[in-house]
Amino acid sequence: AQSVTQLGSHVSVSEGALVLLRCNYSSSVPPYLFWYVQYPNQGLQLLLKYTTGATLVKGINGFEAEFKKSETSFHLTKPSAHMSDAAEYFCAVVTSGGSYIPTFGRGTSLIVHP
Amino acid sequence: DGGITQSPKYLFRKEGQNVTLSCEQNLNHDAMYWYRQDPGQGLRLIYYSQIVNDFQKGDIAEGYSVSREKKESFPLTVTSAQKNPTAFYLCASSPMTGGGQPQHFGDGTRLSIL
Repeated sequence: AQSVTQLGSHVSVSEGALVLLRCNYSSSVPPYLFWYVQYPNQGLQLLLKYTTGATLVKGINGFEAEFKKSETSFHLTKPSAHMSDAAEYFCAVVTSGGSYIPTFGRGTSLIVHP
Repeated sequence: DGGITQSPKYLFRKEGQNVTLSCEQNLNHDAMYWYRQDPGQGLRLIYYSQIVNDFQKGDIAEGYSVSREKKESFPLTVTSAQKNPTAFYLCASSPMTGGGQPQHFGDGTRLSIL
């Protein structure tokens, strides 16, 4: 079975500050991991994904995430927050060798203060 | 440009009424999905289909029905049996080439009760 936990339903940062959104997963086999972003009244857009290979993954809009197997984590970071980063962020896991149906976390709302 | 089109964007349901949400994709993806999104609960899977004329129940299928007569189309019917239909509904698609493929999402349909 696979599961995802996103710590913190809301994260608040100042413009220009570091963004850190936490994601921990549970999977009995090597996972595929994804971060998506959702703006109000829109669908989800892919930010970045980890499949195999390099554990530090770079995505769009300056975001990156690091896969840490020993910590079962895939935290999302951005060095300097911008007002336009305010949105809902979802972490998702897919277990290799299964039906390839993703499990999503409950989401973290990122609030950016001027 | 390829993508997923959901219609209508807003929908209102009367007591005892069935309503159908449309989802069309031109990405040539084999798999399609329906999710329900409620505040603070992330995305919950209603139904998914990995091949034409076949579909599987997700975690919250009760009160919903789907069909997959064409590869491009995966309409969702919210039946009168669904007593709490007010939510944001998202349709997604993905290739069936392994778990490392991300999902592509439409912009959603917001359903409310009159």
